[in-house]
Amino acid sequence: DTAVSQTPKYLVTQMGNDKSIKCEQNLGHDTMYWYKQDSKKFLKIMFSYNNKELIINETVPNRFSPKSPDKAHLNLHINSLELGDSAVYFCASSRAQAIRETQYFGPGTRLLVL
Amino acid sequence: DQQVKQNSPSLSVQEGRISILNCDYTNSMFDYFLWYKKYPAEGPTFLISISSIKDKNEDGRFTVFLNKSAKHLSLHIVPSQPGDSAVYFCAASAVPGNNRLAFGKGNQVVVIP
Repeated sequence: DTAVSQTPKYLVTQMGNDKSIKCEQNLGHDTMYWYKQDSKKFLKIMFSYNNKELIINETVPNRFSPKSPDKAHLNLHINSLELGDSAVYFCASSRAQAIRETQYFGPGTRLLVL
Repeated sequence: DQQVKQNSPSLSVQEGRISILNCDYTNSMFDYFLWYKKYPAEGPTFLISISSIKDKNEDGRFTVFLNKSAKHLSLHIVPSQPGDSAVYFCAASAVPGNNRLAFGKGNQVVVIP
């Protein structure tokens, strides 16, 4: 009964490959997010969707493409992986997109690009 | 451009004593502040928050203090327990902002039994 789940938990791949990370939430929330935690441990927002509509799109290479097939899912597809993409990617969700809505995080996907 | 800063990356404290974590921010548009706690191999978990209209919020052993004029907040944990050993992230959001959170780098807290 995990609230926010991500698959896979670990992902090791070669440079140049294309990979996807999946996120699902069973909280009935309208808003979902992707964050990246880099090697310096900073957590930075990448994207946010509200009711399947993109509402936050930070300065992220267009090799990264989020897709929200429905409110409960937000997947992240990464094309032509680069060494610098190695990081931990966290999915999160909140009841709504308004400030003060608590964000609930998934366990993270540890991506290593070789 | 780091808008939320957490210095003193690690803190060791004896069980039962107070843990104090500090956070500074630069964006005067920040209106809401949060602390998240993170265990290894898990995602951050919401701990406590404070709105800019308050200067203190308390929840059990956790208290957050906000000094808007100094753009500074702190988290007090008292008494500290071994289960509090984790990384603590300070975060902030602005209005408008679509609930976009800006995070600090995190502070590692180790509570010694």
